[in-house]
Parts: sequence; C-alpha cells; structure tokens
Amino acid sequence: AQSVTQPDIHITVSEGASLELRCNYSYGATPYLFWYVQSPGQGLQLLLKYFSGDTLVQGIKGFEAEFKRSQSSFNLRKPSVHWSDAAEYFCAAPMDSNYQLIWGAGTKLIIKP
Amino acid sequence: GAVVSQHPSWVICKSGTSVKIECRSLDFQATTMFWYRQFPKQSLMLMATSNEGSKATYEQGVEKDKFLINHASLTLSTLTVTSAHPEDSSFYICSGRGDGNSPLHFGNGTRLTVT
Repeated sequence: AQSVTQPDIHITVSEGASLELRCNYSYGATPYLFWYVQSPGQGLQLLLKYFSGDTLVQGIKGFEAEFKRSQSSFNLRKPSVHWSDAAEYFCAAPMDSNYQLIWGAGTKLIIKP
Repeated sequence: GAVVSQHPSWVICKSGTSVKIECRSLDFQATTMFWYRQFPKQSLMLMATSNEGSKATYEQGVEKDKFLINHASLTLSTLTVTSAHPEDSSFYICSGRGDGNSPLHFGNGTRLTVT
C-alpha cells in the first residue's frame, strides 16, 4: 500500500541553525511529492512540489527539498531557520494520478531562541 | 490516533443541485476546521477556516454564498456546494484540530463530479 512517513513528530532547532525534515514514501511509480506548512491558526500553505526533472526543488521561504529515488525520500531543508518558521510541516503524495493525497503525520518544528 | 471522518467519499450530482459534505471528528473536539479544494496535480487550495460556533472565514476569491460552511458543533462541520456546476467538480478535503497546539487531522476527501 502507498504510504508517506514522517518519522519525526517534533523537532527542535535553534534559531539560525540548519534544518532537515524527513519524509519517506512508498509508491510504485515516480511520485508527485509535496511539502506543506501549517502555521498556528492558519491553513495549509504549499512550500514546494516535485513532479519531475531536477531532483532538487526550490520552494518559498528559503526551503528546498531533494527527491532521492534510491532512498525513497523527499527531505525538506533550510540552511538557517527563523523563529517564524515554527509551524507544522506535512509531506504528501497523491494516492492516484490526479487527486487524493496521502499525508504524512506531520512534524512540528520548534525554534529555540 | 485521532480521526476525521468525511462523507461522502464520492458523489455525482446534476448541474443546479446542491451537495452537502460532512466532516466529523470522531475522537477529539475540532475547534477549528479547514476546508480545501484540490484540482488534478495541483496543491490544495484553502477555501475557508471555521471555528466552532462562528461564521467561517473565506479566502479571497471563494464565493461564500456558493460554498456554505457550517460548524455548529465541535464534532461536525459541513460544506454545502449550492447550485453546483461542472466547474465545481473537484476534490474537497477537510482538516480539523483541537486547540492551537494539537495535531491537524485530515479527512479522506470527497470527489465531486457535477454532470
């Protein structure tokens, strides 16, 4: 069965430090992959997406993610986090070719001053 | 873990009719519900945010008279697509959370086809 796994429920990093949030998928074909962020009291916002082509994808707010087929991973990275990055991050992949997304459980990012 | 039950999972309706989609939080009290719309191979588009007992806050460009959202209790929120047209055909998904620090839980979505 297709699945998306985010192994870290919480991650705490210091402001200015680098960040990597893990996402692993189980999918037969080449997946479409998304990273979303949900800030407190807000709806989901798309950070970036991978459909095909360059495996290193640039997103908004200084985030990037790298698709690694050999590791079935699509980890989200940022070189230097800001306090405003504190939020919940979700990785997702479509269950079928068009529609329904399978969601990871989310990783809550906590920023230490 | 906490569950959001969304029904129906698939609905086909005729143009001009209305369709109601329900989201129920089965084992937690959803203080806040989010409603999204998703087009093929596109990301989710937030339609509205509703807090229990309050009027929903709609995102810019979303017709509040067409997409009626009700969140009358902590366990039930509904989205009614009124006078549906083929261009309303899409995938609709809800998500809910308790307080601001609790996790976000997603419904499985509803695929609406308007003929």
